[in-house]
Amino acid sequence: DTGVSQDPRHKITKRGQNVTFRCDPISEHNRLYWYRQTLGQGPEFLTYFQNEAQLEKSRLLSDRFSAERPKGSFSTLEIQRTEQGDSAMYLCASSSVLTGIFQETQYFGPGTRLLVL
Amino acid sequence: DQQVKQNSPSLSVQEGRISILNCDYTNSMFDYFLWYKKYPAEGPTFLISISSIKDKNEDGRFTVFLNKSAKHLSLHIVPSQPGDSAVYFCAASGGGYQKVTFGTGTKLQVIP
Repeated sequence: DTGVSQDPRHKITKRGQNVTFRCDPISEHNRLYWYRQTLGQGPEFLTYFQNEAQLEKSRLLSDRFSAERPKGSFSTLEIQRTEQGDSAMYLCASSSVLTGIFQETQYFGPGTRLLVL
Repeated sequence: DQQVKQNSPSLSVQEGRISILNCDYTNSMFDYFLWYKKYPAEGPTFLISISSIKDKNEDGRFTVFLNKSAKHLSLHIVPSQPGDSAVYFCAASGGGYQKVTFGTGTKLQVIP
């Protein structure tokens, strides 16, 4: 199975620590997205990449958050100086988009559940 | 501002009957709509989608209906099975923006 994978699946950290999550998209997909989901809510968009270029960032993505996709394959999401409000499920999704076609289906990974104590 | 709304947080249906999940949206720029299913501790799984040029799309037991004038879509599951018990998210994109906007989800319970 070559679906989207995320690592780690769970992370517990203390407030103030830095954490980094990794996402490996479906291999032929050129777009990669990060979402955050809290209890009782749907996933909320954070940022996305087309190949290695980060094209859009949500205002939810404070300056403590940074995402990279250095070679246009896997991506990392780092949270610096974590706060208790960062506790959430962090979801990665990927899609394949052809030039000129805007309607795409995003396929999600299993998520990384973060708990900040 | 909740642009995609799922007003029913939960729904219970008997096995074998029809499940109807509803979704309303406010952004007239949305032109692509998706339904995802999510089990606890897993990521959302894509179920079915519909483009705004259509009013119905069917895939096996799942059918999505789109009413553009009412800015409303619905997901029909027939017949419902216990394995369908999950949270269902309605989502939308469009207007040249690639991000997908999700509703808050409806928890479906199919009772054997």
